[in-house]
Amino acid sequence: DSGVTQTPKHLITATGQRVTLRCSPRSGDLSVYWYQQSLDQGLQFLIQYYNGEERAKGNILERFSAQQFPDLHSELNLSSLELGDSALYFCASSVGTAYNSPLHFGNGTRLTVT
Amino acid sequence: DAKTTQPNSMESNEEEPVHLPCNHSTISGTDYIHWYRQLPSQGPEYVIHGLTSNVNNRMASLAIAEDRKSSTLILHRATLRDAAVYYCILRDVTNAGKSTFGDGTTLTVKP
Repeated sequence: DSGVTQTPKHLITATGQRVTLRCSPRSGDLSVYWYQQSLDQGLQFLIQYYNGEERAKGNILERFSAQQFPDLHSELNLSSLELGDSALYFCASSVGTAYNSPLHFGNGTRLTVT
Repeated sequence: DAKTTQPNSMESNEEEPVHLPCNHSTISGTDYIHWYRQLPSQGPEYVIHGLTSNVNNRMASLAIAEDRKSSTLILHRATLRDAAVYYCILRDVTNAGKSTFGDGTTLTVKP
């Protein structure tokens, strides 16, 4: 058990809809990262937050947004969903932003857009 | 970003050692080498990381070449539970969490 909790485990929704994925980091971890894993793209970095502030952005679409709250949990909002957004979404956390700090991943939210 | 190259797949027999290679010829001086593995239907799991010296922990050993252009993850006695996709990534201060996970190496362990 990594200590990172993601909810829900599964989500099925229709095109055009909006969903929110939630992540609770490991106790004591201040950084939260979001990744998308699809069959043809592998594990893609989306965005990172550290102690409530955005720190790094990757291949995140404009239709997607995220935030980290004062209690350090994070939410990833996906809107105007398309079929191609179907994927596994992982959250990871680490103690800080240091590059020698291991990433601890949750078990993901599987999003299916129909 | 510096990239890593790994073989697509490897096979091992149970209870034998496994050496998983990773090439990172464009590694910079501040890049840490991290290894993660992903079991089916789970999120990636941290295995080990290092900068220049070889590292050991309860899960594995990491051997880093002297020029740091390659590294090897060593599982001393493979078990069926070690069957997974293994990712070698580089993390440095300039890319924060943007580490690129490539396709990794799919390890099959035969009983």
